Amino acid sequence: DAGVIQSPRHEVTEMGQEVTLRCKPISGHDYLFWYRQTMMRGLELLIYFNNNVPIDDSGMPEDRFSAKMPNASFSTLKIQPSEPRDSAVYFCASSFSGGRNQPQHFGDGTRLSIL
Amino acid sequence: SQQGEEDPQALSIQEGENATMNCSYKTSINNLQWYRQNSGRGLVHLILIRSNEREKHSGGLRVTLDTSKKSSSLLITASRAADTASYFCATAYNNDMRFGAGTRLTVKP
Repeated sequence: DAGVIQSPRHEVTEMGQEVTLRCKPISGHDYLFWYRQTMMRGLELLIYFNNNVPIDDSGMPEDRFSAKMPNASFSTLKIQPSEPRDSAVYFCASSFSGGRNQPQHFGDGTRLSIL
Repeated sequence: SQQGEEDPQALSIQEGENATMNCSYKTSINNLQWYRQNSGRGLVHLILIRSNEREKHSGGLRVTLDTSKKSSSLLITASRAADTASYFCATAYNNDMRFGAGTRLTVKP
């Protein structure tokens, strides 16, 4: 059974460019989470979806960040325009019904470097 | 806050020794979970302990929960070099889950 799949694994781009991160959750999972991990701030929840609907985006740092989930098997996190301080590892995770209290399955992340 | 805080921040032991990591939190919980993160990889769920449970085992892992002290511990017995990773506790309450900053465990061969 395939786990959560994220792409790309690494992204290096220049400041001001648009960045799109992609995630395919585990089939049958109805919760999808986007996290950002840095040494300074640890693991931060950016946004999460339930049945493709955004439920809580209070963790999205600013309007430059947006996330979509057009169907149950695909989600994107977009940064436009990107800034050096956005450099981090971005994780997607999914979980089965039961809310945010249930174990989450993480992808291996996208390591983003903004020059 | 609800967020768990792991202690110690870093731990270095020899292969074969036991490793104990602690997690403290400040509010109520429905459950507490432990995750492992290997370098360059995502978090992997290890074990979930409910608020009405006091101890749980999974493989070579032992987790305890003391809700009166608002603390949990993760014990890895007879550690191996492959156990080298960061370990995070996550506290879950009312459809919200927060991760701690993690303990970095190094097991030397």
